[in-house]
Amino acid sequence: GNSVTQMEGPVTLSEEAFLTINCTYTATGYPSLFWYVQYPGEGLQLLLKATKADDKGSNKGFEATYRKETTSFHLEKGSVQVSDSAVYFCALSDRTSYGKLTFGQGTILTVHP
Amino acid sequence: DVKVTQSSRYLVKRTGEKVFLECVQDMDHENMFWYRQDPGLGLRLIYFSYDVKMKEKGDIPEGYSVSREKKERFSLILESASTNQTSMYLCASSSELDRGPLRQYFGPGTRLTVT
Repeated sequence: GNSVTQMEGPVTLSEEAFLTINCTYTATGYPSLFWYVQYPGEGLQLLLKATKADDKGSNKGFEATYRKETTSFHLEKGSVQVSDSAVYFCALSDRTSYGKLTFGQGTILTVHP
Repeated sequence: DVKVTQSSRYLVKRTGEKVFLECVQDMDHENMFWYRQDPGLGLRLIYFSYDVKMKEKGDIPEGYSVSREKKERFSLILESASTNQTSMYLCASSSELDRGPLRQYFGPGTRLTVT
């Protein structure tokens, strides 16, 4: 079956630091890959997505590249802000079964001023 | 903007009670989903529905049932609540008409405590 593994958290950074959150996946075929973000007290929001190998998703300064050879979709940001403090989820959809998502366990990010 | 609403943000119920969690979406989406979110486990799919009155089990359906009588509304039912069902419950919806991958839109969640 499908699975997604994220780096263990929590991650604590100072403002303007570089962020990487690792994500690897196991899936049959050619899944679509997503990063969702959950701000405190809210539901999940789509942050970025990629649908095929070598695609780069980007939004709000965050980027992730779909790497088929390493089955990875690592999230990066060059300079984090306090407002980026949230829980980040990597997820995949194998495009069958009505777009069901398989999620990683989530990574808590805290950014200090 | 798509809006997914859930009937309660916080709920406290007793063991053995029947619990209803309601979810409504306003974008005429075909697909609706119920997840539970637990620390260290991410989100796990309980049930989903791809049309009115249609449902399929997700990864952890035991102890839950669902109802979809109208396209916009998807209910999660805990037949006899137990303490191990204390969790955050998230509803989501998606459209078959979206281009590309089926993006899901999430509600704010219901934090359920069973005592």
